[in-house]
Amino acid sequence: EDQVTQSPEALRLQEGESSSLNCSYTVSGLRGLFWYRQDPGKGPEFLFTLYSAGEEKEKERLKATLTKKESFLHITAPKPEDSATYLCAVQAGNYGQNFVFGPGTRLSVLP
Amino acid sequence: DTEVTQTPKHLVMGMTNKKSLKCEQHMGHRAMYWYKQKAKKPPELMFVYSYEKLSINESVPSRFSPECPNSSLLNLHLHALQPEDSALYLCASSQEVLAGGRQETQYFGPGTRLLVL
Repeated sequence: EDQVTQSPEALRLQEGESSSLNCSYTVSGLRGLFWYRQDPGKGPEFLFTLYSAGEEKEKERLKATLTKKESFLHITAPKPEDSATYLCAVQAGNYGQNFVFGPGTRLSVLP
Repeated sequence: DTEVTQTPKHLVMGMTNKKSLKCEQHMGHRAMYWYKQKAKKPPELMFVYSYEKLSINESVPSRFSPECPNSSLLNLHLHALQPEDSALYLCASSQEVLAGGRQETQYFGPGTRLLVL
């Protein structure tokens, strides 16, 4: 069965304190791994798509990397406005089903 | 532009009411999705439409009835809901649902906050 886990469940950082979020997956036939940011009561906002092990994507203070078993979202020098829940999702299987979200990491960045 | 719009933003309904949620995208995407999200939980897939045809129904109760009138619009008709159906309902779209190969990114709308009394 396809599974996606994320760690830590919650993370508190001081402004400027860099860290990484983890997304581990067990799927057959990965067809894409997606990172989203979600603010309370709002829809997920797309951040990155990764397809192949070794792939990396960057956007402002965020960098996403992918291995065969997990993905990391690195946050460099975070600011309070980076506070949100970060969700990863994987697409697997032979057809467009199995778009599975992980439980998310709630990030709080304190000024 | 990667905008998906949803109306209404908030909806309160009784268990005997009939209401509809609406979703619209103008990105030329051919796949559209409905998700349900409970508080502090990740989104759960409900339905997938591909080229205006229902391709996936994740065992959703019949009190939820999806409709795709055209490639830009997606509706979710609600009837005889239960209080446990209260949640954030999210619509998403992607270029298409591919049979094999890389999957396209899904873009989400802001959601409709539904409260069933």
